[in-house]
Amino acid sequence: DIQMTQSPSSLSASVGDRVTITCRASQSISSYLNWYQQKPGKAPKLLIYAASSLQSGVPSRFSGSGSGTDFTLTISSLQPEDFVSYYCQQSYGTPWTFGQGTKVEIK
Amino acid sequence: EVQLVQSGAEVKKPGESLRISCKGSGYSFTTYWISWVRQMPGKGLEWMGRIDPSDSFTNYSPSFQGHVTISTDKSISTAYLQWSSLKASDTAMYYCARHGGSSTGGDYWGQGTLVTVSS
Repeated sequence: DIQMTQSPSSLSASVGDRVTITCRASQSISSYLNWYQQKPGKAPKLLIYAASSLQSGVPSRFSGSGSGTDFTLTISSLQPEDFVSYYCQQSYGTPWTFGQGTKVEIK
Repeated sequence: EVQLVQSGAEVKKPGESLRISCKGSGYSFTTYWISWVRQMPGKGLEWMGRIDPSDSFTNYSPSFQGHVTISTDKSISTAYLQWSSLKASDTAMYYCARHGGSSTGGDYWGQGTLVTVSS
């Protein structure tokens, strides 16, 4: 299985901050990397697919980059609704695997 | 409007069988894969497997292979996740998601089905 290591597991930030979450794959996954946001008690929501493509309807403050084994999700200016959890997922090879998640908390 | 609507919460005893469902609407059901994702209480997301409704081809995570069965009935645009013998450790929220392929991510998700297994 391809292991996805996401960091940090949690972070504290303030409204307006720029934050970056990292995801590292145990082998090259080309650009088959997706990012999801999950609010408490809700289903995940797709933010970024294919490493850097913004899903329709997602605010432009979210961006993704990377290829091969190293990927990042950047939120350029945190908004109050962004203080939730984020997950990366590789879809290069089955089983598709998720990172362990990053919880973004208010400082 | 694209929707995935899952069946309601279930409370079961260990050893019982269960099938939960995910009904797609607003799109061509056979054009998109359906995957199932588990989220145990307070934990992260785990991919269980996926199915191509056009031909019922399935992939399972080794962690779930042999313990669950994923199937579809394309005549009613519905995917299923099934257990023949539940364990207490199956207590979790289960989500279905639609994928256009390996490179598109899960763009629509069901609302989740909470399964509680307790004696």
